[in-house]
Amino acid sequence: GQSLEQPSEVTAVEGAIVQINCTYQTSGFYGLSWYQQHDGGAPTFLSYNALDGLEETGRFSSFLSRSDSYGYLLLQELQMKDSASYFCAVRRSTGFQKLVFGTGTRLLVSP
Amino acid sequence: GAVVSQHPSWVICKSGTSVKIECRSLDFQATTMFWYRQFPKQSLMLMATSNEGSKATYEQGVEKDKFLINHASLTLSTLTVTSAHPEDSSFYICSASDLDKLSYNEQFFGPGTRLTVL
Repeated sequence: GQSLEQPSEVTAVEGAIVQINCTYQTSGFYGLSWYQQHDGGAPTFLSYNALDGLEETGRFSSFLSRSDSYGYLLLQELQMKDSASYFCAVRRSTGFQKLVFGTGTRLLVSP
Repeated sequence: GAVVSQHPSWVICKSGTSVKIECRSLDFQATTMFWYRQFPKQSLMLMATSNEGSKATYEQGVEKDKFLINHASLTLSTLTVTSAHPEDSSFYICSASDLDKLSYNEQFFGPGTRLTVL
């Protein structure tokens, strides 16, 4: 089977840095994606890692360690609008366009 | 670019009726679309992969006769919830990838359809 575990909730203040972890168990791992979803809205793509290391996109960075089956999303200079749910999602080598989503982390940013 | 729309955005129906949800890629062609359902405060669960011109591939545990998927063209996929019951009430979301883009790692999601079955 497959599983992706994330912390259920993370809280932080504006301007801070927060890290959201994702550990996964899957066969045929191909890559790890991160999506943001505001309440009642559509998930939006944030980042993707296929190789080990750090990918930086503005205030958001994502890291992957294939040997540890682990990744994280790093959000810097937090803003109130970053309050949302964040999901990691695995792409597999078979049916590789398919995404299997993690349990999701609700981020609450306070003033 | 890469916009996906869904219609309707919300629907309320009586138990036993069927509901059709449309998913359209507005500015790109999508040979493959995906259908998810999401319960409140939970993750997205992949229901099926919709392939243009062929039968959909359903995930384990998803009833293919209950959730009918048709991918009639490169820009349209439909999900029909047949004989809906209250337990089918959920948020249904579709997504697609733009394979013409060099980087097709990103999936573009529709805004979702909230189905409430009374």
